[in-house]
Amino acid sequence: GAVVSQHPSRVICKSGTSVKIECRSLDFQATTMFWYRQFPKQSLMLMATSNEGSKATYEQGVEKDKFLINHASLTLSTLTVTSAHPEDSSFYICSARGGWGGITGELFFGEGSRLTVL
Amino acid sequence: QKEVEQNSGPLSVPEGAIASLNCTYSDRGSQSFFWYRQYSGKSPELIMFIYSNGDKEDGRFTAQLNKASQYVSLLIRDSQPSDSATYLCAAAAAGRRALTFGSGTRLQVQP
Repeated sequence: GAVVSQHPSRVICKSGTSVKIECRSLDFQATTMFWYRQFPKQSLMLMATSNEGSKATYEQGVEKDKFLINHASLTLSTLTVTSAHPEDSSFYICSARGGWGGITGELFFGEGSRLTVL
Repeated sequence: QKEVEQNSGPLSVPEGAIASLNCTYSDRGSQSFFWYRQYSGKSPELIMFIYSNGDKEDGRFTAQLNKASQYVSLLIRDSQPSDSATYLCAAAAAGRRALTFGSGTRLQVQP
């Protein structure tokens, strides 16, 4: 099946620094990618929808200037957490949807990136 | 009111039993429904999806959908300890390509 690769899997950084997370679709072209955040024992919360070649659409309450999303190609989307703070510590997961449309929505998740801000 | 609701559990069943996981949704515009399994510290993996009323079977898993009652369920037959995980129900609404997830039900299969 289709594979989505996410990197890094774990990152620890100091407060105030920026962290970039990459999401790649390895064997298909992903016209749309989704970024989710999951806090411990909670569900996945959609942060933003990333469309290749256009600006990302952010969910209500998500600061677009803090969580920068770039989807420069059909196989790569990046999430940059700028000026990270301890409250940004979370599990960030990307999901990619191919261009074949259909009723099933996105099907493929990356492995996730666990961010710890000290 | 949450859009997709699940009982957080834990749901504990003995090995070999049937585990029944339930989910309700509030958006009548939801068209397709997904069950994901998530092990601790890992990202979700798709088990199956359903978009027509009735049952859909795939191996030991059966998804059931009742749109009139806005209810989705997942049955796991012959439960194994390796099935112990959190099961996430998700819904996709027409015109919205992202999925809305429930908070998940933690399943524990006792050997």
